[in-house]
Amino acid sequence: GAGVSQSPSNKVTEKGKDVELRCDPISGHTALYWYRQSLGQGLEFLIYFQGNSAPDKSGLPSDRFSAERTGGSVSTLTIQRTQQEDSAVYLCASSLGASSYEQYFGPGTRLTVT
Amino acid sequence: AQKITQTQPGMFVQEKEAVTLDCTYDTSDPSYGLFWYKQPSSGEMIFLIYQGSYDQQNATEGRYSLNFQKARKSANLVISASQLGDSAMYFCAMRVLTSNTGKLIFGQGTTLQVKP
Repeated sequence: GAGVSQSPSNKVTEKGKDVELRCDPISGHTALYWYRQSLGQGLEFLIYFQGNSAPDKSGLPSDRFSAERTGGSVSTLTIQRTQQEDSAVYLCASSLGASSYEQYFGPGTRLTVT
Repeated sequence: AQKITQTQPGMFVQEKEAVTLDCTYDTSDPSYGLFWYKQPSSGEMIFLIYQGSYDQQNATEGRYSLNFQKARKSANLVISASQLGDSAMYFCAMRVLTSNTGKLIFGQGTTLQVKP
């Protein structure tokens, strides 16, 4: 079956512009996660969705970052007024539920802010 | 607060040999899960193995085994009979099972290179 998909795979943007990153989880997965991976580093949790609500937004680094999920499926991560330090790979993962221990990751979106 | 520490930035192993990747963790919660993921140069995250804090036996999955030492708060990954395809970055991760979120806390990773 189809795995987690993300688009775009690469995004280059100018400092100060807004960007939207999209995640399509595995069908039927109610839990969705966004992580960020800076070059050569581990993954940093950003936000968790259960259905359309986000009970844990503790990892969002600033109010320039926001995310939403609609229809219990697709999620969009929006970064406003991008800064160079936002350059990273943004990874989305989904699981059957929060109690399901295996998270399936998408291929990521590589964001470069120039 | 939860924390994962991987102290080996890079490791080398000869093909067909076994290798141990170190991971220590810190949490005050008694119910947690420990994970290892593999990230090849292609960037995908591949789940390898899971160990629950109450599991009595060390987890094994094929050539992967997790050496879980609860008192030492360590969860080392052992890869037996290394193959060239094992060359990748390896991440140890943890989640607290009693929280309302399944978020994973990751370590900084260890880059493994398998030599022919």
